Amino acid sequence: DSGVTQTPKHLITATGQRVTLRCSPRSGDLSVYWYQQSLDQGLQFLIQYYNGEERAKGNILERFSAQQFPDLHSELNLSSLELGDSALYFCASSHQPGTGGYGYTFGSGTRLTVV
Amino acid sequence: AQTVTQSQPEMSVQEAETVTLSCTYDTSESDYYLFWYKQPPSRQMILVIRQEAYKQQNATENRFSVNFQKAAKSFSLKISDSQLGDAAMYFCAYRTDRLRYSGGGADGLTFGKGTHLIIQP
Repeated sequence: DSGVTQTPKHLITATGQRVTLRCSPRSGDLSVYWYQQSLDQGLQFLIQYYNGEERAKGNILERFSAQQFPDLHSELNLSSLELGDSALYFCASSHQPGTGGYGYTFGSGTRLTVV
Repeated sequence: AQTVTQSQPEMSVQEAETVTLSCTYDTSESDYYLFWYKQPPSRQMILVIRQEAYKQQNATENRFSVNFQKAAKSFSLKISDSQLGDAAMYFCAYRTDRLRYSGGGADGLTFGKGTHLIIQP
């Protein structure tokens, strides 16, 4: 157990629907990062939050949004889902930005299948 | 923007042998971090080894070591005495250290496409 908890582990939904993925960071970690892993695009950075505030955006679609709550858990919202959104979505956490030398701790991911 | 390239989609090695996975990257920054992550069939992303760009000494973690060539922007991973449990996807990743100076901005990881490592018994 890495200490980063992601739920659900698997999710199957239809095109056009909206889903919410949840992440609880490791205890004491203030930063949360979301990544998408797909077969054609590989692992891509989506968005980063630090202590409740959005810090940076990567390759995140406008149909996707995220937030980090006061208890530091984060949710990634995916709407108007398309077949191409099927992927493994990872959450990772770190104590604070700038401690880059220590990498991140990853959760086990949420497998999203859009049918 | 930084890019990370892993030119070997798949590698195969006999158990107990040594294998080297290649990674090159492109950046205009002088301070950064490099990582190798392992992703076994369980899908968990596991940190294997890390290297600070300002350190000339190559990082080593038990059977895993790197060959970091900053001028060539190369960061290869050597696995000695390969074991069946080493079979996985291996991802090379880059992370900026500009936050040390700027105090802001993204410090997300930029990943390569991965190398699938097969261990032959």
